[in-house]
Amino acid sequence: GAVVSQHPSRVICKSGTSVKIECRSLDFQATTMFWYRQFPKKSLMLMATSNEGSKATYEQGVEKDKFLINHASLTLSTLTVTSAHPEDSSFYICSARFHRDSYNEQFFGPGTRLTVL
Amino acid sequence: AQSVTQLDSHVSVSEGTPVLLRCNYSSSYSPSLFWYVQHPNKGLQLLLKYTSAATLVKGINGFEAEFKKSETSFHLTKPSAHMSDAAEYFCVVILPRAGGTSYGKLTFGQGTILTVHP
Repeated sequence: GAVVSQHPSRVICKSGTSVKIECRSLDFQATTMFWYRQFPKKSLMLMATSNEGSKATYEQGVEKDKFLINHASLTLSTLTVTSAHPEDSSFYICSARFHRDSYNEQFFGPGTRLTVL
Repeated sequence: AQSVTQLDSHVSVSEGTPVLLRCNYSSSYSPSLFWYVQHPNKGLQLLLKYTSAATLVKGINGFEAEFKKSETSFHLTKPSAHMSDAAEYFCVVILPRAGGTSYGKLTFGQGTILTVHP
C-alpha cells in the first residue's frame, strides 16, 4: 500500500526558532499533499494544499508567512514553522494523494509532535 | 458547503459487544465518505470508504458502514468489539470535482473516542 513518512516524529524547540517538517511519499508520486494541524482532543484542521511545482493554497486564517510550505518534488513536501511560539505547539499531519484530477484517497503520515518552549 | 457531524464524542462498550459510531453529513453534491481511525500519537488509517458504488461498505478489522442517502448518514459498525479497537474514529467527507473550490478537500467530523472495557 501507499506509505507516507514524516520526519521528525517529535521535535522540541525554543521560542523564536524555525522548525522544518518533512513529508515524503515513499512508494508513489504525490501530485498533491496536504498539511493538517490537530489540537489536543480536537479534529484535524486543514492548513494548506500543496501541488508539486506551484505555490501552496492556504486555508482561511492560516498565516502563509509563518507556515512555509514547499513541494519541490513529487515525493517531498516540507512545512517550516518560522519564529515558532508556544501556541504553535501541536500535532502536524501531512497526507498525500496520487492524482490531481480526482478525489482519490489521501494517505496520511504518522504525524509530527511539535513542542515550543 | 459540506459538513460532517459525529453524534457521539465518546462511546464505551464491553469487549465482544457491538460497536456503533454515528455520522451524519451535509453536502450539496454526492460526496465520498470515509472512516479513519487514529491511535494515540499516530497518523490516520483508512478503515473504509464509500464512493457511490455499493451502499454497504466493508472495511478492515471487521468494520463496515452503510451509506443512507435518505438519512444523510454513514454510521460505522462492528459486530464484536476487540480491545485493540480502542482509538479515535473520524468520519470524513470529500466533495467531487463538481464541488467547485472545495473539491478534493477533506472535511473531518469532530471525532469519536471509542473505549473498550474487558
